[in-house]
Amino acid sequence: AQKITQTQPGMFVQEKEAVTLDCTYDTSDPSYGLFWYKQPSSGEMIFLIYQGSYDQQNATEGRYSLNFQKARKSANLVISASQLGDSAMYFCAMRVLYQLIWGAGTKLIIKP
Amino acid sequence: EAGVAQSPRYKIIEKRQSVAFWCNPISGHATLYWYQQILGQGPKLLIQFQNNGVVDDSQLPKDRFSAERLKGVDSTLKIQPAKLEDSAVYLCASSLGSRVPKPAGGQETQYFGPGTRLLVL
Repeated sequence: AQKITQTQPGMFVQEKEAVTLDCTYDTSDPSYGLFWYKQPSSGEMIFLIYQGSYDQQNATEGRYSLNFQKARKSANLVISASQLGDSAMYFCAMRVLYQLIWGAGTKLIIKP
Repeated sequence: EAGVAQSPRYKIIEKRQSVAFWCNPISGHATLYWYQQILGQGPKLLIQFQNNGVVDDSQLPKDRFSAERLKGVDSTLKIQPAKLEDSAVYLCASSLGSRVPKPAGGQETQYFGPGTRLLVL
């Protein structure tokens, strides 16, 4: 069965520290894509980063990087030098068979 | 470039009333999605359109929910009659879509609107 698991319901992190948000996935399809989205309290889903299953290198977008470990089926999001504006819900999602499957999300709170 | 537009942003209705939400996708995006997001959960896909055709509506409660995208651009989602459990955020998203299907792992990023928060009393 296709599934995304985010095991951290909530995290508190000190400002300027690096943050790792966990995501594991389950699929038997060799072709899939992994996405991370940020959802602030305003409600909008903001696309952060994408990793394809055949990509050889880990994806990076500014302060965001995706630690892709295919054998372990994990796709953790790393945020470097966290900022107060990073406080939000973060969702991991997997695209397989033309469907986007979502995790339950992690609530990240950055402390000043 | 303008993003995905949705209206209204907030709506409060009583159970058994009807309500409609509107979405205008990013210009040129062929694929449009409606999601329901219950508080504390990830989004659940209700319906996906490719141009004006329905690709997937398997999770749409068709006895009370309906959606249309008549001209292949903007879309309307309707609930009639509403139930208490319909209280949620309704998100609209769009993606480029392509006449040539990408592999399932190919990037087809969905871009979201601000959502409509519905409260059914």
